[in-house]
Amino acid sequence: AQTVTQSQPEMSVQEAETVTLSCTYDTSESDYYLFWYKQPPSRQMILVIRQEAYKQQNATENRFSVNFQKAAKSFSLKISDSQLGDAAMYFCAYRSPSVGSGTYKYIFGTGTRLKVLA
Amino acid sequence: GAGVSQSPSNKVTEKGKDVELRCDPISGHTALYWYRQRLGQGLEFLIYFQGNSAPDKSGLPSDRFSAERTGESVSTLTIQRTQQEDSAVYLCASSLDVLNTEAFFGQGTRLTVV
Repeated sequence: AQTVTQSQPEMSVQEAETVTLSCTYDTSESDYYLFWYKQPPSRQMILVIRQEAYKQQNATENRFSVNFQKAAKSFSLKISDSQLGDAAMYFCAYRSPSVGSGTYKYIFGTGTRLKVLA
Repeated sequence: GAGVSQSPSNKVTEKGKDVELRCDPISGHTALYWYRQRLGQGLEFLIYFQGNSAPDKSGLPSDRFSAERTGESVSTLTIQRTQQEDSAVYLCASSLDVLNTEAFFGQGTRLTVV
């Protein structure tokens, strides 16, 4: 079974600085999807960034980028120029490929609480 | 609708009572997911629907939990004989279909069993 591990329960970053959130996962599948979701106090999960495992290029969305190391099964999120609005819980998630896996559920890590200091 | 809508936003119930939680997915989304989030923890998968069928209900914790979906739209998660350990936020998400990996989440229902 696939698992997702986030080993940093809480992180802090100074406004305008850069922070990296860690995520590792375990799977025997060769193709899959990885995600970072943000959950602010409103509880609504917001997709931050998505990575397809077959793509070697790391995904980037404005100030958010990932470092995807497939062999190491590592998927870290880098937030540049941190803003107060980035403060939230961040969840790493794994999803099996569309074909052959038999299930389409997302598997989430336990989350990292990011604090942004003014 | 514009987004995934869940109701009620908050629910307090007495131990032993039944509760129904509702999820209205984005219009046209055929895939629908239910997750449970206990305080300070990650999201636990409960069940997902493709259309009105539920190919994977492996996350339902006990036979007190059930879910249904009708008309490829609204889904209801029912918890019978609620227990204190059922207290959590129940999150619903939908996607265009199971092949589309972008899932949109609702704001959840916070269930408190007293």
